[in-house]
Amino acid sequence: NAGVTQTPKFRVLKTGQSMTLLCAQDMNHEYMYWYRQDPGMGLRLIHYSVGEGTTAKGEVPDGYNVSRLKKQNFLLGLESAAPSQTSVYFCASSPNLSYEQYFGPGTRLTVT
Amino acid sequence: AQSVTQLDSQVPVFEEAPVELRCNYSSSVSVYLFWYVQYPNQGLQLLLKYLSGSTLVESINGFEAEFNKSQTSFHLRKPSVHISDTAEYFCAVSDPLNRDDKIIFGKGTRLHILP
Repeated sequence: NAGVTQTPKFRVLKTGQSMTLLCAQDMNHEYMYWYRQDPGMGLRLIHYSVGEGTTAKGEVPDGYNVSRLKKQNFLLGLESAAPSQTSVYFCASSPNLSYEQYFGPGTRLTVT
Repeated sequence: AQSVTQLDSQVPVFEEAPVELRCNYSSSVSVYLFWYVQYPNQGLQLLLKYLSGSTLVESINGFEAEFNKSQTSFHLRKPSVHISDTAEYFCAVSDPLNRDDKIIFGKGTRLHILP
């Protein structure tokens, strides 16, 4: 039982490049989330999903897109990376919105 | 919607001394409360949670938190800290009666253990 996994663990992009971060969970959770974590800012919700085929905007959605084609996977895309998107990205899942979330190990992204 | 406040961004404490990390939430009829721990270069892990029942909840590594409804607080305490407790701690809250309400995280408190 791997829980929540994220790939890749590290990535360096040049401004304007695109990439996709993959999150996978094996707990059959309906809800999945993408956060970014920056020093002094805590966790900020980017997008989330309440089930396969659904997505919704969080607190800081601009510059990101997401897709949930399969229940176990939640993809976060950056179409044109900017230095302001340098951050650590965390994926999480939960059985419902109010219950505890289970987090992945994170992806450290640097945009130069 | 719920909100949560962690008043201290950093707390230094000597090894083997007691510690309290403060968490206050906005008032609501019902709440679920959580404390998460994030060790350096890792994801967040659930430390303990309050859903209902006993207002005092404990973790396996000696931390405890008490749900205080009148003060809308859920402070985290440990009677004697160890160097391995060095981490960032996040308080979180949700409203189980609001089906659209997500967990809201505080901004975190960094615990520094001094030798």
